[in-house]
Amino acid sequence: KNEVEQSPQNLTAQEGEFITINCSYSVGISALHWLQQHPGGGIVSLFMLSSGKKKHGRLIATINIQEKHSSLHITASHPRDSAVYICAVPTQGGSEKLVFGKGTKLTVNP
Amino acid sequence: NAGVTQTPKFRILKIGQSMTLQCTQDMNHNYMYWYRQDPGMGLKLIYYSVGAGITDKGEVPNGYNVSRSTTEDFPLRLELAAPSQTSVYFCASSPLTGNEQFFGPGTRLTVL
Repeated sequence: KNEVEQSPQNLTAQEGEFITINCSYSVGISALHWLQQHPGGGIVSLFMLSSGKKKHGRLIATINIQEKHSSLHITASHPRDSAVYICAVPTQGGSEKLVFGKGTKLTVNP
Repeated sequence: NAGVTQTPKFRILKIGQSMTLQCTQDMNHNYMYWYRQDPGMGLKLIYYSVGAGITDKGEVPNGYNVSRSTTEDFPLRLELAAPSQTSVYFCASSPLTGNEQFFGPGTRLTVL
């Protein structure tokens, strides 16, 4: 069964800073998910990627399949980016079942 | 489209009571999931379904039951509530295996 580790657990930044959140997993996968959980509790999917890099606005996700590692970057961070960011991978291979990291709580101060 | 809807938003149960958490999606997704989220822990899969009439256990199924009689609905049943079932419950759906999952707003359940 896959295991997911995220770092850091908590991250505080000043508005405008470049943010990096890391995710490592133990078993080869078909795709990795990054999700955002708003302070109000709602969860939305940000990215699903299986190789290389994806960009959406100020968010960039990268993955290194060989090293079993992914990063989520936020450029020019803003207080509205404050949320918990969650990494998830299939329990094994291309399974429809996901295992989730514990999340990284990001606080961006003005 | 409303996406994934869950009811109720909040509920307090007494030990031993039963209840059903409702989940409905209007995106015609085949895959549906129930997760629980405990403080400081990652989401954990309770049950999932790959289509109407087909359900399977996830990582933490004890104390719960599900059914999937239609594509749209995937209710989660708690038969004898216990304090250990105090959690936030999320329902999610996706069109295909390995695809992006769409989450409902969650149900906060407290068992006293």
